[in-house]
Amino acid sequence: GEDVEQSLFLSVREGDSSVINCTYTDSSSTYLYWYKQEPGAGLQLLTYIFSNMDMKQDQRLTVLLNKKDKHLSLRIADTQTGDSAIYFCAEAGGGNKLTFGTGTQLKVEL
Amino acid sequence: EPEVTQTPSHQVTQMGQEVILRCVPISNHLYFYWYRQILGQKVEFLVSFYNNEISEKSEIFDDQFSVERPDGSNFTLKIRSTKLEDSAMYFCASNAGEDNEQFFGPGTRLTVL
Repeated sequence: GEDVEQSLFLSVREGDSSVINCTYTDSSSTYLYWYKQEPGAGLQLLTYIFSNMDMKQDQRLTVLLNKKDKHLSLRIADTQTGDSAIYFCAEAGGGNKLTFGTGTQLKVEL
Repeated sequence: EPEVTQTPSHQVTQMGQEVILRCVPISNHLYFYWYRQILGQKVEFLVSFYNNEISEKSEIFDDQFSVERPDGSNFTLKIRSTKLEDSAMYFCASNAGEDNEQFFGPGTRLTVL
């Protein structure tokens, strides 16, 4: 079945860039997503990329997709304390369901 | 901005009791989903629903679970006889069509004692 893996924890200093990585196994993925979850809250869609693209930029967010290696990354420029949260990557393969990664807890230190 | 809503925000129940979790998807959306997140774990797909029937379900979604769209606005998840391991955050989601963004509700935290 599909599997999506992420590193569990990332710590950065305020103002630095954060890079959160994700690997997936389903080569039929059509869309890949990044969701943000703050403590006790729901899932907020940050951005997504279609599988025939290799890069998408949206303000401070840059998504890179290496389809050959099945590797997805999210770069947050100028990371702020308000970016502290858990970040989930998710892939949409066949059937429209989302398969989520384990989540990466981003901690932004002053 | 339209949003998915869920009620209640927190439900506490005794093991063996039935619970119904409620969701109001975005009004023009056609596809509906339930996911769950056990504390500290990843978000897991439970079921998708389209055209008044289940289109896909995971192995978690056994006979104890059912979904229903009783009217034009609500989408419910029923757990017939809750177990301790059903304790989790349950998220509802909807989208307008396949390959469209899924919008998530804020979740219902279910605690089974």
